[in-house]
Amino acid sequence: KAGVTQTPRYLIKTRGQQVTLSCSPISGHRSVSWYQQTPGQGLQFLFEYFSETQRNKGNFPGRFSGRQFSNSRSEMNVSTLELGDSALYLCASSGDSEQYFGPGTRLTVT
Amino acid sequence: QKEVEQNSGPLSVPEGAIASLNCTYSDRGSQSFFWYRQYSGKSPELIMSIYSNGDKEDGRFTAQLNKASQYVSLLIRDSQPSDSATYLCAPLTGTASKLTFGTGTRLQVTL
Repeated sequence: KAGVTQTPRYLIKTRGQQVTLSCSPISGHRSVSWYQQTPGQGLQFLFEYFSETQRNKGNFPGRFSGRQFSNSRSEMNVSTLELGDSALYLCASSGDSEQYFGPGTRLTVT
Repeated sequence: QKEVEQNSGPLSVPEGAIASLNCTYSDRGSQSFFWYRQYSGKSPELIMSIYSNGDKEDGRFTAQLNKASQYVSLLIRDSQPSDSATYLCAPLTGTASKLTFGTGTRLQVTL
């Protein structure tokens, strides 16, 4: 069974730009959660989508948004990038309670 | 008080010894608990899940849960150098799939 895939794996953007990250969950999993990992804040929950609906949201500004498609693939978007948005962005796929992480997208904002 | 607390370490144990990793959490509504292992530069890998009070064993790993004390632990027997990594404790919060992570404990297994 294929694991969680995320694209792109690495990204360099400039302040003020926007970025879209993609996540394909494990086949059959309907829940996709997004997390941000930084050295200072650790792993923080961004939001979770289930059957194309946002089911839960963390404490991030509105610049962070996401969506889920009918095939369960998910995208997250960050608009007006700031230097502090540099981080590893992880998506996790879940069929019940266990969550399996993808390899992550390393975003660097310059 | 942090929602999930772990000793950041590093916890240094000799090869072949038992490594004991501890975690406390504040949300009494948490029902499911997970341990992830994260190697430097990699994403977290699920290694154990536990849902009921008591012990759960899987190979060299044993997870222990005490909901009354809001405490969960992970024991690694016969520690190997390949176990050197950061171990993250994560209770599942609420009905949605929100994991709340501790800062992680860095484990170093020495030869």
